[in-house]
Order: sequence, then structure tokens, then C-alpha cells
Amino acid sequence: DADVTQTPRNRITKTGKRIMLECSQTKGHDRMYWYRQDPGLGLRLIYYSFDVKDINKGEISDGYSVSRQAQAKFSLSLESAIPNQTALYFCATGAESTDTQYFGPGTRLTVL
Amino acid sequence: AQTVTQSQPEMSVQEAETVTLSCTYDTSESDYYLFWYKQPPSRQMILVIRQEAYKQQNATENRFSVNFQKAAKSFSLKISDSQLGDAAMYFCAYSSHNAGNMLTFGGGTRLMVKP
Repeated sequence: DADVTQTPRNRITKTGKRIMLECSQTKGHDRMYWYRQDPGLGLRLIYYSFDVKDINKGEISDGYSVSRQAQAKFSLSLESAIPNQTALYFCATGAESTDTQYFGPGTRLTVL
Repeated sequence: AQTVTQSQPEMSVQEAETVTLSCTYDTSESDYYLFWYKQPPSRQMILVIRQEAYKQQNATENRFSVNFQKAAKSFSLKISDSQLGDAAMYFCAYSSHNAGNMLTFGGGTRLMVKP
């Protein structure tokens, strides 16, 4: 089984809809991250969490919110989706003791 | 703020040949980490190689090696004996412990491998 899972893998939604992307991990890591990938721009950090009670904004947090329901679960929400939020979204995990992050398979989101 | 630049949007290499992908970065930190990630069409982000800035020795993983020039803030990836399965997007990335190990990515280089 994969260590970092994301659901759904693909999603098409309409402008104005609320949508939640979910991430779960079995690696036992405290740190979790949400990134967004647009063509030609690499990945950019949306939000990150160092433990259940710690939530921090990243480079591009506007229009997004997150919830850390447990050590193993970190959800990303779009309260009112807009077309320029069409992108590939990645969840990643990491431990304080290591510099390496481990990525989920990604969610391709299309907002019409 | 840290920035990572990959100046080659696309590269191509003949199968079995060697190719070098370029990456430069900007930081005021002295202790940091550098990474190369591979993203095949499956879109999974796969760690290829990592380098700790305090180590002078260049990292090597099988056919993949880096040329880390700390003073020049350069971190290139060399792929030897290129294989068809090496075709992918390659991303250079930076992180530092002081910044919570958050990754800053370059824009990526698309590598094509010709048979």
C-alpha cells in the first residue's frame, strides 16, 4: 500500500462549488504539506502543518483552507472554486528529523 | 526569499548517452539541502537524488550524479547511459531546516530520450 494517498485522483467541478481534497499518510510523519503545480511553474506551497495544532500559510494560500484532522490526515478545501484553481495538487509528508519529503500521487482538479 | 531557476525548459538526449540538467539557486542560508525530483507521465514525484550543502562530496545514485558548486550556487544533474525510462520532467528543489524544510521548486526541465 502507498505511504501517502490522495483522494480523489481526478475531479471536475464547476465555478462556485466547494470541494475538498484529502490526504492520508501511514509514514508516521508530523509534518504535512499541500502544493499546487501549474504548467511551467513547478510546485508551489499552499499550506503546511507541523503537527495537529499547527497550521501555516504558504506562498499561495488565498482561496484555500486546510484542516489537520489527525496526525495522519490533512485536507485542503476550496470554499468557492474558480477556473484559475485548475491545477495538479500534491500532498507531501516529512519528519522533523529529516529533510526529505514524500509525495502522494497527486489530484488533478479542473474547475469549469 | 529563496529562488530556484532551471534555465532549460527542454532537453533531449540519445539513448545510452549522457545529459546534464542545470539548476541555480539563491539563498542566504549556509545550511540547506538540494534535491532533484523526477515526474514521469504518471505525475508521481519521485526523489532522484539529494545533496546536503555542508557536504563537499557530490551525491551519486547509480546512473545519476550531481555537480554541486556551493560558491556558484549551482546544482546540476548528470544522467549517464540514458534510458527510455528516464524521459520525464525533472525538478530541482531547495529546502532549509530553518524554514521548516519546505521545498522551493524550479520550473522544471522536460527531458526527452531518443531511441
